[in-house]
Parts: sequence; structure tokens; C-alpha cells
Amino acid sequence: DSGVTQTPKHLITATGQRVTLRCSPRSGDLSVYWYQQSLDQGLQFLIQYYNGEERAKGNILERFSAQQFPDLHSELNLSSLELGDSALYFCASSPWTGEREQYFGPGTRLTVT
Amino acid sequence: GENVEQHPSTLSVQEGDSAVIKCTYSDSASNYFPWYKQELGKGPQLIIDIRSNVGEKKDQRIAVTLNKTAKHFSLHITETQPEDSAVYFCAASFYSGGGADGLTFGKGTHLIIQP
Repeated sequence: DSGVTQTPKHLITATGQRVTLRCSPRSGDLSVYWYQQSLDQGLQFLIQYYNGEERAKGNILERFSAQQFPDLHSELNLSSLELGDSALYFCASSPWTGEREQYFGPGTRLTVT
Repeated sequence: GENVEQHPSTLSVQEGDSAVIKCTYSDSASNYFPWYKQELGKGPQLIIDIRSNVGEKKDQRIAVTLNKTAKHFSLHITETQPEDSAVYFCAASFYSGGGADGLTFGKGTHLIIQP
């Protein structure tokens, strides 16, 4: 158990809908990363937050957005969902202060029908 | 941007034998190279990592080597056991004193340990 929690574990929704995925980092970790895992694209970095501020963007679609709250939990919002958005979404956290290791949560499996 | 290639995609070895997975990266600025193990239905688990100022690192049956000049790094697992069966991912990123960038992953290697 990495100490990173993600909810929900599974999510089934229809095309065109909007969903929110939630992540709680390990206690004391200030940085949160979101990744998408699909058979087509593999594991891809989406976006990173540090202490409430966006720090870096990867291959994140404009339909997707994220935020990190004062209590350091983070939410990934996916809108106008398409069939191709079906994937596993992982959150990872890192202490940031001189540490480089990223610890992954168990993921949320999103199925768009 | 960074590109990480990983080989082989599937590796089958006899229990007790060694397994080697190789990765190459493209961006010479990358200086942090972790390896993750992912079991079915779980998130990636960090098993070992190496920084670019180190050529080799070992942790019990697992070792990682890095060749900065050739831009490749490898994972070595000795005395393989059934519980080593999983998908292994290499990754690369740039790390500074303030923390690490998002990871660029290879496509993964499905390691199968034959009893």
C-alpha cells in the first residue's frame, strides 16, 4: 500500500458526460501527478500540481482539467467524454522537497459507453 | 520531448534464472530513471531507481545499470521467483533540487516466470 488513495475505483458513464476523479496524496506529500494508462498509449503523464499550483502539463486534452485543494487532495475533471477516454487513471504523489520518488495510487478505471 | 523505448515486450524465463529488461531514452537532460512493477489490477509500484551521476545500483535481487553516453539503462533481476511475474515499466524524467518532472514511461515488459 503506497499511502495514495483514489476514488472511485470504477466509473462507468456515457459519451458526452463529465466525471471527477479524486486523489489523496501520501501524508506530507506536496506534489500530485496524474497519469492515464491505456492499451493504445501506455502510461502517459497528464498534469502535475505542487502545493495547490499547476507546475507542469503533459499530454492532457483541453477537455480535461485538474486542481489541487488547500488540504492537498486533487481532482481530475474529464468532460465531453469520448469512447477513447476509457482508461485507467492514476494519481501519484511525491514529497517534492528534495525527493524524486513518485508513489502511485491504485487507480480509477473509467469506462465510457 | 522525451521518448523511452523498452525491450522486450514479453520475457519468459525459468524460475531461478535471471531476467534483463532494457530501455533507451532520447533526452540527454533526463537524469532520473525509475523502474516500476505493476501487478494485475494494481497501480505501478516503485522497485528501484537510479540517478544519472550513478552507474549502477543494487537492492537484493534487483539491480539497475545506466550508460549515460549511450542513453540506455537496464533492469536485472536474479534468482527469479514466481512472485516476480508482472509488467515492468522503465521511465525517465528530469529532476532538480526542487522535485521531479512528470515521468515518461516505456511501453512495458510482461515478465513471465515459468515454474
